[in-house]
Amino acid sequence: EAGVAQSPRYKIIEKRQSVAFWCNPISGHATLYWYQQILGQGPKLLIQFQNNGVVDDSQLPKDRFSAERLKGVDSTLKIQPAKLEDSAVYLCASSLPGAGTEAFFGQGTRLTVV
Amino acid sequence: AQTVTQSQPEMSVQEAETVTLSCTYDTSESDYYLFWYKQPPSRQMILVIRQEAYKQQNATENRFSVNFQKAAKSFSLKISDSQLGDAAMYFCAYRSRGAQKLVFGQGTRLTINP
Repeated sequence: EAGVAQSPRYKIIEKRQSVAFWCNPISGHATLYWYQQILGQGPKLLIQFQNNGVVDDSQLPKDRFSAERLKGVDSTLKIQPAKLEDSAVYLCASSLPGAGTEAFFGQGTRLTVV
Repeated sequence: AQTVTQSQPEMSVQEAETVTLSCTYDTSESDYYLFWYKQPPSRQMILVIRQEAYKQQNATENRFSVNFQKAAKSFSLKISDSQLGDAAMYFCAYRSRGAQKLVFGQGTRLTINP
C-alpha cells in the first residue's frame, strides 16, 4: 500500500517569496492534516480537512497561509509571502474517520526561508 | 484546550536495557486516545502504540508498553531490550473522540548507546 506522498522534500526561498507544497494521501483516507514542525518542537496542526471541507483551521495564519483539497484527494498548502519564522518541516498526514484510527504521515517538506 | 507535556528533552540508554519516556496531558474530557509516535531522521512519523482512555488495561506492542494513569493524566512509554534502531525522537500525542486532531508534545530525543 502506497503511503502519504509529499513534494518537494526540500525548498529554500527568500523571504517575501511564495511557496507551495503538495500532498497525496493514502487512497480512501477522508481526513487530511497539515502540520508545521519547527526545529526542536512537536508538530502543530495548521489545517484539517474532512473530504473537501475544512474541519479545523484555527491555527492557520490566514493572512499568508492557504490550503485547499481538490476533489477530496490531493491537497496543496501555500505560503505567500513567506517570513523567516516559517522555516520548518511541513508534514502531511491522512487517516480514516474516527478518533482512534492511525494517522499516517508523509516524509515532510523542509522549508528554509532566508 | 488540550495540552501535552514531555518533560524529558533527551534520554539515553544502553543497548538491551529498558528506558521509560514520560508524558503528561491536560484535558477536561473523559473519552480520548493517546499515542506514541516515533520520528527517525527521515522525518516520517511512525505510530508506536495507542491507548484508549476507557480501557484500563495498558497497551503493549512487542517491546513497547505504556503505563496509563488516567486520574494522574500520565502516559509513559516503556521500551524494553532497547535496540540501536530505536534511536529517534518520540512524541506523545492526544486526540479527543470528537476533534480528531492530534495534539503533540514537544518530543524526547532517545539515544541508544552500544
